[in-house]
Amino acid sequence: DTGVSQDPRHKITKRGQNVTFRCDPISEHNRLYWYRQTLGQGPEFLTYFQNEAQLEKSRLLSDRFSAERPKGSFSTLEIQRTEQGDSAMYLCASSFGGSGNTIYFGEGSWLTVV
Amino acid sequence: ELKVEQNPLFLSMQEGKNYTIYCNYSTTSDRLYWYRQDPGKSLESLFVLLSNGAVKQEGRLMASLDTKARLSTLHITAAVHDLSATYFCAVLTNYGGSQGNLIFGKGTKLSVKP
Repeated sequence: DTGVSQDPRHKITKRGQNVTFRCDPISEHNRLYWYRQTLGQGPEFLTYFQNEAQLEKSRLLSDRFSAERPKGSFSTLEIQRTEQGDSAMYLCASSFGGSGNTIYFGEGSWLTVV
Repeated sequence: ELKVEQNPLFLSMQEGKNYTIYCNYSTTSDRLYWYRQDPGKSLESLFVLLSNGAVKQEGRLMASLDTKARLSTLHITAAVHDLSATYFCAVLTNYGGSQGNLIFGKGTKLSVKP
């Protein structure tokens, strides 16, 4: 069990470019979450999957953001036409089963838009 | 909309002293999580509190939950420098059925000084 894995860990991109982040959850975890965290703030919920189904999306997730979990295992978060306001740490988390279980977070992917 | 408020947001303590961090939330929930975050790192799960009156302890940290008051506390006993970090509480919302996501407070930045 290697924990939740995210890639890349750091990304610097020019405004207007597209970026994609990948998350590999803990094996057999059926729930996968994406959060965004800016400096000095708590993580903000973006979206959530149970297996391959995307069950909830925050209004923070504009139409430039898309997330997938095609086979119910790894997930990708793509940001199109990046803006400076997208600069943040993007955190992936996973859990198994019921609502009382621990939700484990990955190390995060830092995005800087210049 | 569920709101989660922590106080204090900043806490400077001397080693050996005791203190309590408070977490209030605005709507009914009986699933509350505490996380620790070190600078530039991801979130480490500390406690999952699942019912009214739940109390959990790990080392110098003890967490409790009062769902009627919509209040959780994280008590620090005889603080040591290694406890310096940011502590987040998070409330699980929409957990009926298959959904559920965490709403975080802004965090409490704890600094323990010799």
